[in-house]
Amino acid sequence: AQSVTQLGSHVSVSEGALVLLRCNYSSSVPPYLFWYVQYPNQGLQLLLKYTTGATLVKGINGFEAEFKKSETSFHLTKPSAHMSDAAEYFCAVSEIKAAGNKLTFGGGTRVLVKP
Amino acid sequence: DAGVTQSPTHLIKTRGQQVTLRCSPKSGHDTVSWYQQALGQGPQFIFQYYEEEERQRGNFPDRFSGHQFPNYSSELNVNALLLGDSALYLCASSLRQGGNTEAFFGQGTRLTVV
Repeated sequence: AQSVTQLGSHVSVSEGALVLLRCNYSSSVPPYLFWYVQYPNQGLQLLLKYTTGATLVKGINGFEAEFKKSETSFHLTKPSAHMSDAAEYFCAVSEIKAAGNKLTFGGGTRVLVKP
Repeated sequence: DAGVTQSPTHLIKTRGQQVTLRCSPKSGHDTVSWYQQALGQGPQFIFQYYEEEERQRGNFPDRFSGHQFPNYSSELNVNALLLGDSALYLCASSLRQGGNTEAFFGQGTRLTVV
């Protein structure tokens, strides 16, 4: 069974500071990994994904994540936080099968950006 | 291009009642998945539909059922509602031929059971 652990349910950063959100996963097969962002009262928006190939993945809004197989991690970073980055972030793992796929999500990390 | 649309946006039901939630996938997508997101938690997979059949199911009781129509739209039905069914229900669509590697989510339906 797959699982995702996000360390820290809440993270507070100052505007302009580094944003680092941690995600560790477990999967019995090579995983597909995703980061989604959720703004209040909205659905989920895909920030970036890792399927195959380059392990450093760049996404929207200046975010990037690195797949480290040896550490079973997929941490999300952004060099300089902006007020608009305040939201909840979810890491997810997927196992692609012929029968279909499902996303298994972590518990989420809420980001607060201080001016 | 319309994305994933869900209706209604909000719903209040009484314990024991039944509810139907609706989802129209993003244009060109053929697979629909449903997720339940309780307050303060990550989404939990309910089930996935492709070619009008349930293909995968998460750990949810039979009170949760669904349907996919020939135009790929989908419904989620929940019978005998419990207070614990109160949550945001998210629909996601994807393309099977593309490996389903990218799911697009709707805004969700907020269900409150009283």
